[in-house]
Amino acid sequence: NAGVTQTPKFQVLKTGQSMTLQCAQDMNHEYMSWYRQDPGMGLRLIHYSVGAGITDQGEVPNGYNVSRSTTEDFPLRLLSAAPSQTSVYFCASSHYRGESTDTQYFGPGTRLTVL
Amino acid sequence: AQSVTQPDIHITVSEGASLELRCNYSYGATPYLFWYVQSPGQGLQLLLKYFSGDTLVQGIKGFEAEFKRSQSSFNLRKPSVHWSDAAEYFCAVAEAGSYQLTFGKGTKLSVIP
Repeated sequence: NAGVTQTPKFQVLKTGQSMTLQCAQDMNHEYMSWYRQDPGMGLRLIHYSVGAGITDQGEVPNGYNVSRSTTEDFPLRLLSAAPSQTSVYFCASSHYRGESTDTQYFGPGTRLTVL
Repeated sequence: AQSVTQPDIHITVSEGASLELRCNYSYGATPYLFWYVQSPGQGLQLLLKYFSGDTLVQGIKGFEAEFKRSQSSFNLRKPSVHWSDAAEYFCAVAEAGSYQLTFGKGTKLSVIP
């Protein structure tokens, strides 16, 4: 049981490049989400999903796309990277019990630098 | 919209001393409350959570937190800090039934041997 895994661990992009941050979980969790962490800002929610085929925006969705074709995977796409997207990105997952919030488990993070 | 305030950006304590990290939230109803810890270069690990019931909750690594509705607070405590507790601590809140966590900005804990 690997939990939540993220790849790559580090990435450097040039402005305008595109890339996909990978996130996978093996706990059969329905809920998955992406956060970004910036110094002095805590974590902010980018996008989330409550199951395959269902995604929605969080607090800071601009510049990011997501899709959820399987229960296990929830990739985050940057279509045209900007320096403002330099950050550490965390993926999280949990069971989805409808009205009852469940504990979210976090991956180790991806540190992204956009030059 | 809910918000979370962690008033202390950085706290330094001596090993063996007691610790209290403050967390205040703004939310109309009873929130779901969490404390996470992040060691350098690592992801977040859940220390404890409060959903309902007993307002004093016990977590891992000897931590506990108390929910005080009248003060809109959920402070984290540990009676005796160990050097390995040096990390950044985040308080988070979610609305009942929502999975969207709102995080505080974090408190960095340094431990003096």
